Amino acid sequence: KAGVTQTPRYLIKTRGQQVTLSCSPISGHRSVSWYQQTPGQGLQFLFEYFSETQRNKGNFPGRFSGRQFSNSRSEMNVSTLELGDSALYLCASSLNARGNTEAFFGQGTRLTVV
Amino acid sequence: QQPVQSPQAVILREGEDAVINCSSSKALYSVHWYRQKHGEAPIFLMILLKGGEQKGHDKISASFNEKKQQSSLYLTASQLSYSGTYFCGTDLNTDKLIFGTGTRLQVFP
Repeated sequence: KAGVTQTPRYLIKTRGQQVTLSCSPISGHRSVSWYQQTPGQGLQFLFEYFSETQRNKGNFPGRFSGRQFSNSRSEMNVSTLELGDSALYLCASSLNARGNTEAFFGQGTRLTVV
Repeated sequence: QQPVQSPQAVILREGEDAVINCSSSKALYSVHWYRQKHGEAPIFLMILLKGGEQKGHDKISASFNEKKQQSSLYLTASQLSYSGTYFCGTDLNTDKLIFGTGTRLQVFP
């Protein structure tokens, strides 16, 4: 079956702009989590959605937001981009929201803010 | 809340063994282990659950000490393909998987 698909793969934006990233989970998976990956910081948790509801949120400013649609596809939006937002953004899908199920990661979207 | 991984980096020759540790300051429901190769997505290795259940690849070995809130990943007879960055993720029974900063493993011939 198809894996997790993230689009676009690469993005270059200028400071102050906004950006929307998309994640299509594995068919049947209802939980989608988003992570920001930067060198030295590992995978920083952004938020987690399950059945269109945000159940958990990480310690990121309100400029970072997301949503999940009825087909489980998820989008992440970052407004008023800053240079420090440059990172690889990964989404992970899992069958349910429990911590006892494995997560499958997408290839990520590489965002560069100039 | 972020788990602490040690060591930060490991260099091995093929055939050597390594242990990667992950510790949390809070009681854990589960520990997850993933490996990420450069330019690729992290891939699942193993889940260890409170109570002793484990799910994962047969060739991967790990332990979970619930009392100490620690987990260790054992890489034995390492192969070149083991190279990558290993992340542990911890769940405090909040459905939120928090990852450590990773352990970079390099295996040389």
